[in-house]
Amino acid sequence: GQQVMQIPQYQHVQEGEDFTTYCNSSTTLSNIQWYKQRPGGHPVFLIQLVKSGEVKKQKRLTFQFGEAKKNSSLHITATQTTDVGTYFCAGPDSNYQLIWGAGTKLIIKP
Amino acid sequence: DSGVTQTPKHLITATGQRVTLRCSPRSGDLSVYWYQQSLDQGLQFLIQYYNGEERAKGNILERFSAQQFPDLHSELNLSSLELGDSALYFCASSLNPGGSSYEQYFGPGTRLTVT
Repeated sequence: GQQVMQIPQYQHVQEGEDFTTYCNSSTTLSNIQWYKQRPGGHPVFLIQLVKSGEVKKQKRLTFQFGEAKKNSSLHITATQTTDVGTYFCAGPDSNYQLIWGAGTKLIIKP
Repeated sequence: DSGVTQTPKHLITATGQRVTLRCSPRSGDLSVYWYQQSLDQGLQFLIQYYNGEERAKGNILERFSAQQFPDLHSELNLSSLELGDSALYFCASSLNPGGSSYEQYFGPGTRLTVT
């Protein structure tokens, strides 16, 4: 079946360093969604990308959707402690159900 | 606050028991989704209801069942509980039936501990 692979599983960064998580689908996606889950919290919707090659920015966060609509990335510039959490990507399958990536946990080194 | 409510927040029970988790979706949302998240793991989709009818099934065990009521709230029933069922159970809601074009709003979750 359709799979959405997300890497890395964990990323440790110093505060102020950049962070990137990558999402790859086994099939072409009609759209991709990104969510953030803070420690002890619930997933919160961040953004949806729909168009091939689309790039969207939210302050220090940059989201990209690949030209083939099979991959996506989330890049955070100059991480802050408030960025800590797990970032999930999710894309719909042929039955319009979201298939979730395993998530990338962002850890800020003390 | 997402607008999705879940009760109870915490539940501790013994193996072999049965529990019911409750979810109220955001006002106006017709779809309800149930997810299981084990410690430091990803989200496992269990089941979706749309306007009272089952819409999609994921990796839901036969010991688990759910329903959505006319007022759109949903309940997830877990029976013959095993230690491995200990997890966070999230409910999410969205406007449309497919869930692919609209974002999902998650509730705060119910933490189930089976001892």
